[in-house]
Amino acid sequence: QSALTQPASVSGSPGQSITISCTGTSSDVGGYNYVSWYQQHPGKAPKLMIYDVSNRPSGVSNRFSGSKSGNTASLTISGLQAEDEADYYCSSYITGSALVLFGGGTKLTVL
Amino acid sequence: QVQLQESGPGLVKPSETLSLTCAVSGYSISSGYYWGWIRQPPGKGLEWIGSIYHSGSTYYNPSLKSRVSISVDTSKNQFSLRLTSVIAADTAVYYCARQYNSGWYGGIWGQGTMVTVSS
Repeated sequence: QSALTQPASVSGSPGQSITISCTGTSSDVGGYNYVSWYQQHPGKAPKLMIYDVSNRPSGVSNRFSGSKSGNTASLTISGLQAEDEADYYCSSYITGSALVLFGGGTKLTVL
Repeated sequence: QVQLQESGPGLVKPSETLSLTCAVSGYSISSGYYWGWIRQPPGKGLEWIGSIYHSGSTYYNPSLKSRVSISVDTSKNQFSLRLTSVIAADTAVYYCARQYNSGWYGGIWGQGTMVTVSS
């Protein structure tokens, strides 16, 4: 299994919306709704932001939303804030293989 | 409040065995959940190493399966990682995490521990 594909970087201005894509195959992202997104600030552990494609854990801002179409999942952050600047990783759990895949990560810069 | 804390040597020689422990507080491992190890080489992305169910069933990344073992010690409320025959490419920050039963999402993470493989 190969890593999921994410853009290396995205940027946006405060208040704007951005979307980060995560492309896999029909064997991972496209085959199951076990897609998640993590936020990681420098020197910190990852934080779960989205699970099951579009669900937010308790305490995560509703500015963060997730979706999926075919083999591509997306994370949208609306009303960008300075503290959103971080690395974002998508992940897919492949239930049949009991395997977790991560994307290569996307660096979000808030201009 | 559930907390996870990794511990172990920060420096391991090539060809030797890397051993890390994740101590869990605020929750009894034997009560449920999957417990996993994830690593991140300097400046690079995340890689899932493997997970263990509270009952002891283990699941490993195929790319590391021949060198990895994960075990749980319910009496000490901790779980451990062993990675044999390490090489420089195994240099990374190693995280432990409590994972959701469905989807294996990392809901609670330790702070991570840096392990360098070097002679």
